[in-house]
Amino acid sequence: ETAVFQTPNYHVTQVGNEVSFNCKQTLGHDTMYWYKQDSKKLLKIMFSYNNKQLIVNETVPRRFSPQSSDKAHLNLRIKSVEPEDSAVYLCASSRTISNERLFFGHGTKLSVL
Amino acid sequence: GEQVEQRPPHLSVPEGDSAVIICTYTDSATAYFYWYKQEPGAGLQLLMSVFSNVDRKEEQGLTVLLNKKDKQLSLNLTAAHPGDSAVYFCAVSGSSSFSKLVFGQGTSLSVVP
Repeated sequence: ETAVFQTPNYHVTQVGNEVSFNCKQTLGHDTMYWYKQDSKKLLKIMFSYNNKQLIVNETVPRRFSPQSSDKAHLNLRIKSVEPEDSAVYLCASSRTISNERLFFGHGTKLSVL
Repeated sequence: GEQVEQRPPHLSVPEGDSAVIICTYTDSATAYFYWYKQEPGAGLQLLMSVFSNVDRKEEQGLTVLLNKKDKQLSLNLTAAHPGDSAVYFCAVSGSSSFSKLVFGQGTSLSVVP
């Protein structure tokens, strides 16, 4: 049963455009994450937020910016996409920041032409 | 920092056979261990989690073994069936509240009828 909702499921765009992905969790969790999964299925954490506060900001290009309006929402904006941004972006949440299991959304597949 | 090596990257087994996936980690302070399953077009789903004081855990045809001496974590699917075909990921984290979850590279399992 899905409790982490991502939109859109797919997005095709051209180099240089701006895109935004939305994520909402209905579990009442305090912590949310964005992961990038490349074509080889490798997972890399990008950001994590705890109660709307940025906790982890891995080395990602500055064109990526997370946005959190409340602890149930964590969106991801990419200004001026590049071909290497083509990937599946997975949103996840956990009850707290501390070693809790992650609940994942279905992902947003981005294709940059 | 923590590094996790997962093998094999691809695994094909006949229906009814067992499948074994192994992860090797580097940090002896690693405390939390997870196995996730990702079906096509979906996010990751937690299969099992163990804490470092557990050597063996069995649930619903899955066995997780933890060998802390060799820093090895394994997942054994007994009597695999086609519905088990998916990508499997191990993930580990330390005991600190702010320890990052580190994922293995994934194993694509195909169970052939």
